[in-house]
Amino acid sequence: DTGVSQDPRHKITKRGQNVTFRCDPISEHNRLYWYRQTLGQGPEFLTYFQNEAQLEKSRLLSDRFSAERPKGSFSTLEIQRTEQGDSAMYLCASSRPGTGVAGYTFGSGTRLTVV
Amino acid sequence: ILNVEQSPQSLHVQEGDSTNFTCSFPSSNFYALHWYRWETAKSPEALFVMTLNGDEKKKGRISATLNTKEGYSYLYIKGSQPEDSATYLCALNNAGNMLTFGGGTRLMVKP
Repeated sequence: DTGVSQDPRHKITKRGQNVTFRCDPISEHNRLYWYRQTLGQGPEFLTYFQNEAQLEKSRLLSDRFSAERPKGSFSTLEIQRTEQGDSAMYLCASSRPGTGVAGYTFGSGTRLTVV
Repeated sequence: ILNVEQSPQSLHVQEGDSTNFTCSFPSSNFYALHWYRWETAKSPEALFVMTLNGDEKKKGRISATLNTKEGYSYLYIKGSQPEDSATYLCALNNAGNMLTFGGGTRLMVKP
């Protein structure tokens, strides 16, 4: 297992276009998280899956954002009608079940630039 | 909304200097505190998980302490090296399923 992978690494899109990012977690990790990080800020929670169930969503996740995790494996995050304010680093992380002190294993992120 | 704060926001030190930074968090419902190091163009890398008041953890030249009663953690780097340049993030787990991150401390070590 090569860790958490995210695709693409970089995405430049025009305002109003739709974009989709993919995250492949570590295979034995049942929890998957999406965070967003903007310049000068720490990562902000967007949403969380346990297996295929989306258990929590931040109010930061407007109706233009949707995330899925079919079959509890990889996850996709789609942003519709992108706005310049969506420009950020989108981080995916996964964690193993059981212990509550399990930290995250992060991917390298997808950097989105909306022009 | 949990308020996790880190200071300073950025720090420039000379190679060989020792340095430290702070993570402050609400002390109620504490479960665990995590420290990560995030180098440019890489994934955030886990450094420490701390759960007990008075915990001290060490990894090479980096160490951390935890005070859950007053709600703070310190990260220390002894004899900073250029390769220590990174953003250091702390994150609070308050027995939920997510981590709440601070804004990070960006460390730059000049050779």
